[in-house]
Amino acid sequence: DAMVIQNPRYQVTQFGKPVTLSCSQTLNHNVMYWYQQKSSQAPKLLFHYYDKDFNNEADTPDNFQSRRPNTSFCFLDIRSPGLGDAAMYLCATSRDIQFDTQYFGPGTRLTVL
Amino acid sequence: QQQVKQSPQSLIVQKGGIPIINCAYENTAFDYFPWYQQFPGKGPALLIAIRPDVSEKKEGRFTISFNKSAKQFSLHIMDSQPGDSATYFCAASSAASGSRLTFGEGTQLTVNP
Repeated sequence: DAMVIQNPRYQVTQFGKPVTLSCSQTLNHNVMYWYQQKSSQAPKLLFHYYDKDFNNEADTPDNFQSRRPNTSFCFLDIRSPGLGDAAMYLCATSRDIQFDTQYFGPGTRLTVL
Repeated sequence: QQQVKQSPQSLIVQKGGIPIINCAYENTAFDYFPWYQQFPGKGPALLIAIRPDVSEKKEGRFTISFNKSAKQFSLHIMDSQPGDSATYFCAASSAASGSRLTFGEGTQLTVNP
């Protein structure tokens, strides 16, 4: 049974055209994360929500925004995608903040033309 | 100081061999060390994790060895199988950073039949 679901699995957008990626979870976890993973690199944390509290990483570009309308859903908005934003975007959840297993979704592969 | 250095970048072994992946860290505040396994096109999945109060942890064919004084930890895969072929990431976090995981660069493991 899928626990962390990401839609779409593949997204193609044009340079500068806003795009939204979706993540939903059936685990009822408090924490939801968004990571960017470029080819052959480690995942890089962009931001996370602890419940409704938003925590942005210091080096996350302003071009990236997030919304969490309820416990189950979290969205990643890229306001003006550049070629350098082409990557796999991973959503993850955990029950709590410290030392808790993060459960990753399958990712959305974003292509920017 | 936040980095986690992982080696080797890639590793090829024969079925039944014991691949060893090493990680080193500088931040002495790190106190949680998980390993994630990632198959192509999938999100990472937690494989095994260790806290610094133990020097070794085994789960099935997977063993973490931890050397606190050297600030190093490693993953051993006993009796490796072709199905173990994947990318492995070590990671670390601290109580101060909450759930923020610092990932190593990843090791692409290939187990030949």
